[in-house]
Amino acid sequence: AQSVTQLGSHVSVSEGALVLLRCNYSSSVPPYLFWYVQYPNQGLQLLLKYTSAATLVKGINGFEAEFKKSETSFHLTKPSAHMSDAAEYFCAVSEGTSGTYKYIFGTGTRLKVLA
Amino acid sequence: DARVTQTPRHKVTEMGQEVTMRCQPILGHNTVFWYRQTMMQGLELLAYFRNRAPLDDSGMPKDRFSAEMPDATLATLKIQPSEPRDSAVYFCASGGHDSYEQYFGPGTRLTVT
Repeated sequence: AQSVTQLGSHVSVSEGALVLLRCNYSSSVPPYLFWYVQYPNQGLQLLLKYTSAATLVKGINGFEAEFKKSETSFHLTKPSAHMSDAAEYFCAVSEGTSGTYKYIFGTGTRLKVLA
Repeated sequence: DARVTQTPRHKVTEMGQEVTMRCQPILGHNTVFWYRQTMMQGLELLAYFRNRAPLDDSGMPKDRFSAEMPDATLATLKIQPSEPRDSAVYFCASGGHDSYEQYFGPGTRLTVT
């Protein structure tokens, strides 16, 4: 069975500081991993994805994530936070080889950016 | 700019009424997902379809919820009768052939009083 754990339901950073949002997964098969961002009153937007190619994945808006199999992690980072990054972020895992296309989502991390 | 569209964006109804939510997937996408988002439960997968056939609806309360794809450009989610505990934001997402990416619509915010 697959699962996703996002550590920290709320994270606050100062503008210009490093953003680190944590995601750990559990999967019995090679996973595909995703980060989505949700702004208030909007749907989820794909930030980046890992699908068994490069372990360091770059996404939109300056975000990137590194797949670490030994740590079963897929943490999201951004070197310098901007006020516009304030949103909720979701990590998701899909069974990459089963063809089901289903996601299991984490519970989300709300990012607050302080001026 | 291809997007998933959902109607209505907001719906307020009284307990016991039927509610129908509609989703137009991105043209050419063959997989459609329905999710429900609440503060307490987060994002829950209700059902999903591939090539218009239901593949998994185990997340859906069968007694009152139903999901269909009358054609490739329309997916519907019905609740009959609606209850206050159904108040949530309902998202539709679509995905293309051999793609694990899901593209989300803006959601339907349902309030049942």
